[in-house]
Order: sequence, then C-alpha cells, then structure tokens
Amino acid sequence: AQTVTQSQPEMSVQEAETVTLSCTYDTSESDYYLFWYKQPPSRQMILVIRQEAYKQQNATENRFSVNFQKAAKSFSLKISDSQLGDAAMYFCAFLDSGAGSYQLTFGKGTKLSVIP
Amino acid sequence: EAQVTQNPRYLITVTGKKLTVTCSQNMNHEYMSWYRQDPGLGLRQIYYSMNVEVTDKGDVPEGYKVSRKEKRNFPLILESPSPNQTSLYFCASSLQGTHEQYFGPGTRLTVT
Repeated sequence: AQTVTQSQPEMSVQEAETVTLSCTYDTSESDYYLFWYKQPPSRQMILVIRQEAYKQQNATENRFSVNFQKAAKSFSLKISDSQLGDAAMYFCAFLDSGAGSYQLTFGKGTKLSVIP
Repeated sequence: EAQVTQNPRYLITVTGKKLTVTCSQNMNHEYMSWYRQDPGLGLRQIYYSMNVEVTDKGDVPEGYKVSRKEKRNFPLILESPSPNQTSLYFCASSLQGTHEQYFGPGTRLTVT
C-alpha cells in the first residue's frame, strides 16, 4: 500500500510572502498521479494542482507550483504571493491508477494560516 | 452546473439503525469513490467504483457497503452503524484519463 506523509501539521505565512508545503510518498509504482487539495473552513475539497508522474516538467497553476522530485518521491507545493484566502487545510494525495485499481491515498494534511 | 450532490448533509442516528447516504454526479464520470475524514487522519478511501457494477474496497471498507447500478449514482450503505463511524463523509467522481476528483459537499454523520 502507498503512504503519503505531510511532515508539517501546521504552518504560517505572512501575507504576500511565499510558503512551501512538503509531501513525500512511498510507492513501487512507476505510473501514478499526485495532487494537492485545499480544504477551507467550508469543508469543500478543492483541487489546487495535479502532476502526472511521467511528466518531468513541474505543474504550475497561477500562484501555485510544485517541485516534483520523482527519484526522491517528493512533491512539495509552493504558494507565492500568499493571500488571506489561501488559509486552509492542504492535503497531498497519491493516485495509483494501475490496471484494475483506483486507490487514492491522502496525507494527514497541513493547516496553513496567513498572517495579515 | 457540473456537480456532485450528497444527501443528507447532516445526519444524527443511533447505533444499529441502517442508513444510506446518496451520491449523484451529472458529469458522466466513470469513477466514483467514498471517503471518510477524521481529525488528524486526513481522508481515507472507503470504496471506489470504476464503472457500473464494478466496485472495490479502499483502505477502510469494514462496516460499509456500496452499489453502482447506474453510472450517476453511488450510494453508501451502513447496515448497522456504530459510534466509530461518526465522521465526515465525502463522495467524489472523476473522468477516466484526467483523474481530477470532483468532491461533493460532504455529509456529517453522528452515531450515538
């Protein structure tokens, strides 16, 4: 079974600054997907960014980017120009989409606070 | 509007009383899943379905049942709920190929 580890239960960042959330995973698969999800106080799960393991280029979505290190099994999320609305729980997730399987494994989450 | 709906949103019940949480998506997605979220544990997959009549266990299937008779619906059934099933439950769907999960709004279940 795959495991996903988020080593930072809580983090804080000053508004307009940059913060990086870390995520490591353990798998023997070569083909998989990685995601970062945001969960604000409303509890809604919102996809932030997605990375396919076969792509070497790091995914970017506006102020959000990832540093994907496949050999190190690391998938960190960088938030630039942090805004008050970025305050939320952030979950890293791993998808094993091999034949006959569709198991999505989440980390335990990092609570991000944004200081005005 | 493309969405995943869950009902009910909130439910308080007693131990042993069978209940069903419904999940429906209008995006013609092949994949659907159920998750439970507990403080400090993140989200854990209960069951998933890769298409109609195709379901499989996730990480924490004990005490739950599912069915997928139609593509759009994926109900979660608790035959005999127990207090340790008190949790926040999410249904999600995704399209084959993109694997981007669209989540429902969640169902807060309390079993006393």
